[in-house]
Amino acid sequence: AQSVTQLDSQVPVFEEAPVELRCNYSSSVSVYLFWYVQYPNQGLQLLLKYLSGSTLVKGINGFEAEFNKSQTSFHLRKPSVHISDTAEYFCAVSDQAGGTSYGKLTFGQGTILTVHP
Amino acid sequence: ETGVTQTPRHLVMGMTNKKSLKCEQHLGHNAMYWYKQSAKKPLELMFVYSLEERVENNSVPSRFSPECPNSSHLFLHLHTLQPEDSALYLCASSRVAGRYEQYFGPGTRLTVT
Repeated sequence: AQSVTQLDSQVPVFEEAPVELRCNYSSSVSVYLFWYVQYPNQGLQLLLKYLSGSTLVKGINGFEAEFNKSQTSFHLRKPSVHISDTAEYFCAVSDQAGGTSYGKLTFGQGTILTVHP
Repeated sequence: ETGVTQTPRHLVMGMTNKKSLKCEQHLGHNAMYWYKQSAKKPLELMFVYSLEERVENNSVPSRFSPECPNSSHLFLHLHTLQPEDSALYLCASSRVAGRYEQYFGPGTRLTVT
């Protein structure tokens, strides 16, 4: 079984400051990793994904994340945040299932990022 | 329309009512999902369909009944719900079940009175 832990439930920052949202996962097999963002009263929007290859992945809205296999982490970063980045962010993991089995997508509990002027 | 759409966006129903949620994806994907999002709880996967076949039923009560008539449409039929079923119900799709990223609809905010 796999699990995802988002280490901070709320992260307040000031506009133009850097931010890091932390995510750790556990799995007995290789994984795919994702970050999603959810604005109020909306569904989840994919920010970025790690499927294979380079461990530093870049996403939309200036976000990036680094896959660290030894630390089983996939932290999300942005060098300078805007008011419009205020939202809830979810880390998710999926097993790299093969054959006819399918890999369940497991979400963390979410981190609420609040950007203050 | 593009992406994943859901109707209605808001629904209020009594515990004895029967209603249905609808989801449609315009991405040519083969897999569709229903999730439940409650306050202060992680997203809960409810059902997964791959090529119109249900491949996952995550211990969901029988008062929730999914239907997938084709790979573009997914329904969630609701009957005799409880107040604790009030939540945001999200539909998603992906190219292949369990692989690659999932694309989400805006959700249906359900309130059971």
